[in-house]
Amino acid sequence: DQQVKQNSPSLSVQEGRISILNCDYTNSMFDYFLWYKKYPAEGPTFLISISSIKDKNEDGRFTVFLNKSAKHLSLHIVPSQPGDSAVYFCAASRPYSGAGSYQLTFGKGTKLSVIP
Amino acid sequence: DAMVIQNPRYQVTQFGKPVTLSCSQTLNHNVMYWYQQKSSQAPKLLFHYYDKDFNNEADTPDNFQSRRPNTSFCFLDIRSPGLGDAAMYLCATSRDRGTGGEQYFGPGTRLTVT
Repeated sequence: DQQVKQNSPSLSVQEGRISILNCDYTNSMFDYFLWYKKYPAEGPTFLISISSIKDKNEDGRFTVFLNKSAKHLSLHIVPSQPGDSAVYFCAASRPYSGAGSYQLTFGKGTKLSVIP
Repeated sequence: DAMVIQNPRYQVTQFGKPVTLSCSQTLNHNVMYWYQQKSSQAPKLLFHYYDKDFNNEADTPDNFQSRRPNTSFCFLDIRSPGLGDAAMYLCATSRDRGTGGEQYFGPGTRLTVT
């Protein structure tokens, strides 16, 4: 049973336009949501995160929006650049009880292609 | 540069032949994780170490074991690889009580089972 879902396996966007990647989750106990970016032959790289008590976090061209009532988050990239072409993973985290470690649950990823 | 290193990047093993994958980190993070990722699937957590404390996920097969001899190194042992164990294996680290569970990943080891 997937607790984190990315329903779009792929997305194509023109350079300079906005890219919107979506993610849905089912577990209300998650306390942070993260986006990772992955290039071929590399490991995932942290991009941006948002606490469950916030509804928006912005970092340069990247903004993440969280709608808790809908259990939905989205990543906006504006303007999109060809170098943004990668697989984007949505992840949700919750701490292990009594420990300083976190459990991340990932979606399957969305492959973004930014066309020059 | 501080980083997470995985060796080898590509590993081929025979069905049933034990194999060990290696991960090292220069970030001095308390926590190290091992994930399995199959093609077009989400990375799936196998287990993690918080310092020397081992934490196994409930659905991780017994065929998978791990060792962490010191802060910098962590190993994934697959005792009797099956064809279904062919996957990308990702190592990750995080700080103790780091914000929001941010984890730093290595480049992965792609395991092929013949």
